[in-house]
Amino acid sequence: QVQLVQSGAEVKKPGASVNFFCKTSGYGFTSFYIHWVRQTPGQGFEWMGIINPSNGRTSYAQKFQGRVNMTRDTSTSVVYMELDSLRSEDTAVYYCARAPTRPPRFDFWGQGTLVTVSS
Amino acid sequence: DIVMTQTPLSLSVTPGQPASISCKSSERLLNSAGKTPLAWYLQRPGQPPQLLIYEVSNRFSGVPDRFSGSGSGTDFTLKITRVEADDVAVYYCMQSLQLPWTFGPGTRVDIK
Repeated sequence: QVQLVQSGAEVKKPGASVNFFCKTSGYGFTSFYIHWVRQTPGQGFEWMGIINPSNGRTSYAQKFQGRVNMTRDTSTSVVYMELDSLRSEDTAVYYCARAPTRPPRFDFWGQGTLVTVSS
Repeated sequence: DIVMTQTPLSLSVTPGQPASISCKSSERLLNSAGKTPLAWYLQRPGQPPQLLIYEVSNRFSGVPDRFSGSGSGTDFTLKITRVEADDVAVYYCMQSLQLPWTFGPGTRVDIK
């Protein structure tokens, strides 16, 4: 069955970086896009970016440009995301989600990773 | 960015009664293939969202037929014909016409 398993919760100080992983299984890794979305109580869901596991191409939300980097490892079917220069507003649950090309939608989600940014 | 709004923001329903949630988009959701990429998700506390409906009215695998979606253009509706205790959750609409994909603020459904 399709599974997306994410890394565990993190506590970070302002200015630090955080690394996430999203380990996929149960389907052809290069056949589906992976998106990262975060959820905060105040802002709801925010789309952060997308990676095409087939060629590694990425597209990021303007808000996160220069601060986020998404990569993948096709040998292990894992997608990674790094978010730099953390601030308190980055405290959120971060999800990876699978998306087919057609029709476009999130059909499977990871369990989420809680990141708390606090001094 | 396409802005998604939902009404109501909360709903209290007697078990066995119907429920309806409205979702509106700031732009017409129609892609070049003539499809409307509007989806509905359910999120239970502490869980990730689950896909219920995609392309306005297509139920995802395993979703009970109590759930149905309709609409076109900028106005969409999710209906639950007979609400059950297991339906307690927050429901979100989401557009995937253009990046960034955007969500509505969510509608909290609970049981009376």
